[in-house]
Amino acid sequence: DTGVSQNPRHKITKRGQNVTFRCDPISEHNRLYWYRQTLGQGPEFLTYFQNEAQLEKSRLLSDRFSAERPKGSFSTLEIQRTEQGDSAMYLCASSLGSAGTLAGGYTFGSGTRLTVV
Amino acid sequence: SQQGEEDPQALSIQEGENATMNCSYKTSINNLQWYRQNSGRGLVHLILIRSNEREKHSGRLRVTLDTSKKSSSLLITASRAADTASYFCATDKELTGGGNKLTFGTGTQLKVEL
Repeated sequence: DTGVSQNPRHKITKRGQNVTFRCDPISEHNRLYWYRQTLGQGPEFLTYFQNEAQLEKSRLLSDRFSAERPKGSFSTLEIQRTEQGDSAMYLCASSLGSAGTLAGGYTFGSGTRLTVV
Repeated sequence: SQQGEEDPQALSIQEGENATMNCSYKTSINNLQWYRQNSGRGLVHLILIRSNEREKHSGRLRVTLDTSKKSSSLLITASRAADTASYFCATDKELTGGGNKLTFGTGTQLKVEL
């Protein structure tokens, strides 16, 4: 297990289609995060899981977006009825830590670049 | 929303020179982190500085934090072509259950030329 793995790396889809991305975190990491990054901007927080529980969702996560983390291992992010504005890099990150201050930063995956045409 | 801004937005230097990037943020913080991102890739964690620290070193990296000015700087000494990347600062907020939400700045694009 060498890091956070995201699939696919690239996805081109037509407007209105549904897409699903997968993230496999570092196996011992109990925390998993999804971020979205548009061109020329820093990543923006979407949602957070601790084990299988989704504990925080951003207002950016409209009702067309849904994320799951069954069994507290891999996670999926689904976008329904995609729009051109959904085009972005979707980044997954994981970390290990007990309650309190983050010790050493996240480990990010390489991201899934979504293009909606 | 972005927490703040990095300055400059873009920086071009010669190999061997030092590169300094600045970051400003808006709210009180627990800690501040710096990440590097190569074009089209994920982010790599570089260094974390806690709110009660003023300076931290890691290899060729030096980070300072001034909480009274809500600003931080990242210095890369003796830069190499391989340092070419975008650099982001990020502040964190504790979430329910102990996780942390990072709020990133807009980034500095560093280009190191041979």
